[in-house]
Amino acid sequence: DQQVKQNSPSLSVQEGRISILNCDYTNSMFDYFLWYKKYPAEGPTFLISISSIKDKNEDGRFTVFLNKSAKHLSLHIVPSQPGDSAVYFCAAVRDNFNKFYFGSGTKLNVKP
Amino acid sequence: GAGVSQSPSNKVTEKGKDVELRCDPISGHTALYWYRQRLGQGLEFLIYFQGNSAPDKSGLPSDRFSAERTGESVSTLTIQRTQQEDSAVYLCASSFQSTGTYEQYFGPGTRLTVT
Repeated sequence: DQQVKQNSPSLSVQEGRISILNCDYTNSMFDYFLWYKKYPAEGPTFLISISSIKDKNEDGRFTVFLNKSAKHLSLHIVPSQPGDSAVYFCAAVRDNFNKFYFGSGTKLNVKP
Repeated sequence: GAGVSQSPSNKVTEKGKDVELRCDPISGHTALYWYRQRLGQGLEFLIYFQGNSAPDKSGLPSDRFSAERTGESVSTLTIQRTQQEDSAVYLCASSFQSTGTYEQYFGPGTRLTVT
């Protein structure tokens, strides 16, 4: 039961350009969405989140957009840097529930 | 400022043996999660602990899997009679659970290989 999907397993972007990572979900009851970044041999680290009552949240070079009608969210990284090369996971959760649903991840490669 | 730690970092075991994985959460974090990540897949929820409440075990894949946590401290995930399909990275995460705050802090994981 894949309630959160990341359909692009990989993405390659030139340094300085925009990286757009996409995530789709099926459960309209999700209240909160998060993006995590994962380097090899390390655990995921929290990057940015958005509540379902918002459609945009920005933190420095990272912006998350939420389109509830389409059940779609995206992470924009501008400008992309080689250090951004990692696997990015999106996750979703219902408020007051314990179970987080993660996508399968998108491996981002930012070329110098 | 220690983060979440897990041990061992790698474990190779023979099929049929039991294994025990350990997680030390961040001090003061009331919530603790275990996830499994198979090769090329996303994180799969296994179990959730919150304070002294009954754990949410809904993600455990079979009765060979169990986990314990004493209070708000260390947790152990035990897999009995391991099978090859149990091979995965097992990740632990902790958080300070409060309304509207869902950020989890992950450990580096334990890579389990069942031969």
